[in-house]
Amino acid sequence: DGGITQSPKYLFRKEGQNVTLSCEQNLNHDAMYWYRQDPGQGLRLIYYSQIVNDFQKGDIAEGYSVSREKKESFPLTVTSAQKNPTAFYLCASSFTGGADSGSPLHFGNGTRLTVT
Amino acid sequence: SQKIEQNSEALNIQEGKTATLTCNYTNYSPAYLQWYRQDPGRGPVFLLLIRENEKEKRKERLKVTFDTTLKQSLFHITASQPADSATYLCALVSGANNLFFGTGTRLTVIP
Repeated sequence: DGGITQSPKYLFRKEGQNVTLSCEQNLNHDAMYWYRQDPGQGLRLIYYSQIVNDFQKGDIAEGYSVSREKKESFPLTVTSAQKNPTAFYLCASSFTGGADSGSPLHFGNGTRLTVT
Repeated sequence: SQKIEQNSEALNIQEGKTATLTCNYTNYSPAYLQWYRQDPGRGPVFLLLIRENEKEKRKERLKVTFDTTLKQSLFHITASQPADSATYLCALVSGANNLFFGTGTRLTVIP
């Protein structure tokens, strides 16, 4: 079955530690995205990538970093510079052309990160 | 400022009735508008897309309308069922590679 796999589902970290969230897709999609979801707020875009070895900042990129070394993988690192990292993180992918072509996003089931 | 507002945080309706969810936006000129369903603890799932030059789109019990003059989309679920209970998100495409999401409406269908 094709889809997007995010792991782990729950992640706990101490303040000051960097943490990397995994996202793998086997849909052969070119574009991949990371969103953050907080209660009472819409999904907010952190980073996106349209092709391998290229990525762009979204609306709330500060304190985050990504890499896109393979088409299938788009890991997100939450660094200690992120002021409020506790949130639900969602990875998504879409066909070439990305969101502005109207291509729907396929989401993973998220990673809930708690930083204490 | 740019805003996407979904009419209410929560909506309760009786099974068999039609649920109508509203998505209003300001200061966007979207080429497309999409609707997603999200269950607790899961990622959103795409339901329907409607283009700016389309007035209405249907898929089984779902219907979406898009009024660019009113800057509003309506999402209808006819003959609603308890299994339709979920949070529904509207999202609009405006600009390069960005999909802007509303905060969602949590729908509960009461048996």
